[in-house]
Amino acid sequence: DVKVTQSSRYLVKRTGEKVFLECVQDMDHENMFWYRQDPGLGLRLIYFSYDVKMKEKGDIPEGYSVSREKKERFSLILESASTNQTSMYLCTSGRGFSYEQYFGPGTRLTVT
Amino acid sequence: GIQVEQSPPDLILQEGANSTLRCNFSDSVNNLQWFHQNPWGQLINLFYIPSGTKQNGRLSATTVATERYSLLYISSSQTTDSGVYFCAVKYGGADGLTFGKGTHLIIQP
Repeated sequence: DVKVTQSSRYLVKRTGEKVFLECVQDMDHENMFWYRQDPGLGLRLIYFSYDVKMKEKGDIPEGYSVSREKKERFSLILESASTNQTSMYLCTSGRGFSYEQYFGPGTRLTVT
Repeated sequence: GIQVEQSPPDLILQEGANSTLRCNFSDSVNNLQWFHQNPWGQLINLFYIPSGTKQNGRLSATTVATERYSLLYISSSQTTDSGVYFCAVKYGGADGLTFGKGTHLIIQP
């Protein structure tokens, strides 16, 4: 079974803090993605990576950065958290762009 | 970009009923997945089905790629089937999956 884990299920941070969200997959997948999910807006792609040290911007990269130093781990970084980054963050991995993607359990982030 | 439309947006059924959820998409796709989002927010993979028909227990799915739609069938519904069902597609011009708005299913005991 594919397993994608995320570092926290729930997180509360203050405005201006640097926030790290981690995602780890155990299936040696090349591709990893970060989405956020908001009521009324659905799921939107923030960043993705198709290889170690490679990263590409998705649809809404502003205010975020990512890091992929090892194949199994993809980190999302909020450089200076703001209240409009309060959201559900979902990580996925897949063998390739057209292959099945698997989601982690999600992190509900609240920025106060 | 591609449009993904799911219907119905909301569905309330009694336990034991059958249901059909539909996903229409506006362009050719090379990946289509159905997910169930549970009450804790996790998206659970149901089917990877860019074309053809698959079955898994009480659930089955059919994608007719030439006509640009997919159907998810749930038979003998249980209360644990409640939640939001998403259809998501990958098409040539995009990097990630494009999601529909989902069908919110409530199964009443």
